[in-house]
Amino acid sequence: GAVVSQHPSRVICKSGTSVKIECRSLDFQATTMFWYRQFPKKSLMLMATSNEGSKATYEQGVEKDKFLINHASLTLSTLTVTSAHPEDSSFYICSATKPRGATVNTEAFFGQGTRLTVV
Amino acid sequence: EDQVTQSPEALRLQEGESSSLNCSYTVSGLRGLFWYRQDPGKGPEFLFTLYSAGEEKEKERLKATLTKKESFLHITAPKPEDSATYLCAVRANSGYALNFGKGTSLLVTP
Repeated sequence: GAVVSQHPSRVICKSGTSVKIECRSLDFQATTMFWYRQFPKKSLMLMATSNEGSKATYEQGVEKDKFLINHASLTLSTLTVTSAHPEDSSFYICSATKPRGATVNTEAFFGQGTRLTVV
Repeated sequence: EDQVTQSPEALRLQEGESSSLNCSYTVSGLRGLFWYRQDPGKGPEFLFTLYSAGEEKEKERLKATLTKKESFLHITAPKPEDSATYLCAVRANSGYALNFGKGTSLLVTP
């Protein structure tokens, strides 16, 4: 099956610093990747759609200058949390879509998640 | 607006006690209903995708079914290792992103 790898799984950083999270599709090329945020005991909330070779599309209410997304290749997307603050502490999860042949239906696989704690 | 509602929020079963989880949805043009399992501190693990009403898929003790308004995840003779949060999500015609429900937290006791 498809595998999406996310790194790091856990990070603690000081307030005001930046943190980069990587998301890789290991056995398929992903033209589109997604970044979600999950609060404790809540569901996944879409933050942005990362498109290879073009600018990311952000959901309403998500600060594009704070959450920088780069999708430089078909297997790698990165999310950088800039000038992190304690309220940015959360569980961040990436997802990549795997095409199913010539159909428009695609499978969606998730990374292991990154637990960010800003102190 | 697309909506996904899962019920119950939490479910406690004894080992071997079969049950079903519900996912009700309203979406403009369904292009897939997804079931995931999520363990604490981990990313969602893909279980099933259903694309059209009447479709069914099975994997070990799990069986997912789909109608035009809802999906069920049937768990037959569950074991303690089936304890997890089960997430339902839909993909609409509007794009590739998934819209998630809040999940059902399942606890199976020995």
